[in-house]
Amino acid sequence: DAGITQSPRHKVTETGTPVTLRCHQTENHRYMYWYRQDPGHGLRLIHYSYGVKDTDKGEVSDGYSVSRSKTEDFLLTLESATSSQTSVYFCAIGQGDGTDTQYFGPGTRLTVL
Amino acid sequence: GENVEQHPSTLSVQEGDSAVIKCTYSDSASNYFPWYKQELGKRPQLIIDIRSNVGEKKDQRIAVTLNKTAKHFSLHITETQPEDSAVYFCAARGGNNRLAFGKGNQVVVIP
Repeated sequence: DAGITQSPRHKVTETGTPVTLRCHQTENHRYMYWYRQDPGHGLRLIHYSYGVKDTDKGEVSDGYSVSRSKTEDFLLTLESATSSQTSVYFCAIGQGDGTDTQYFGPGTRLTVL
Repeated sequence: GENVEQHPSTLSVQEGDSAVIKCTYSDSASNYFPWYKQELGKRPQLIIDIRSNVGEKKDQRIAVTLNKTAKHFSLHITETQPEDSAVYFCAARGGNNRLAFGKGNQVVVIP
């Protein structure tokens, strides 16, 4: 597996609380992505980053924000978690220079009660 | 943006038979088509990919074919084995440079 880790791997939280998920890579890849995976929906892009401090929205970005202050770290924040954000969250990395291959992290299972 | 559809949603095959999963895409500008395999509780793993300038690619028991005219691409698994049982996702990189994923196919290999 590519050098990608996610933390925490599991989290249970309550509605209205802030949550931050971390993705860390050791591959020095330029692009980093956050996806959520839900039954019947496959993988949907939340946000992505194409460099330090450079981010853009995906198809399901409402209620999420991201930050990338270092090449190796990409943070996903739920400012005020809702039950609809219960999901498995995957981080992915890619070189983004035409090769397009994305490699996924191990995932974080988030439950919002 | 790009829209990717996968059929069938569930596929059961006898061990040793072949399995074929087909995906269709909407964006004629799409130029990269990866396939991922995801076992229960694990991360999606890239198993094969193809670019729009190639019609077919093989890697041992798996192959992918691309028909740009019809805008569909297919995953072929030959001599299926129990360890091939998993969910398979296709994806396409559209003109917006983002990967759009299909909803996934559950493949069950019956021993």
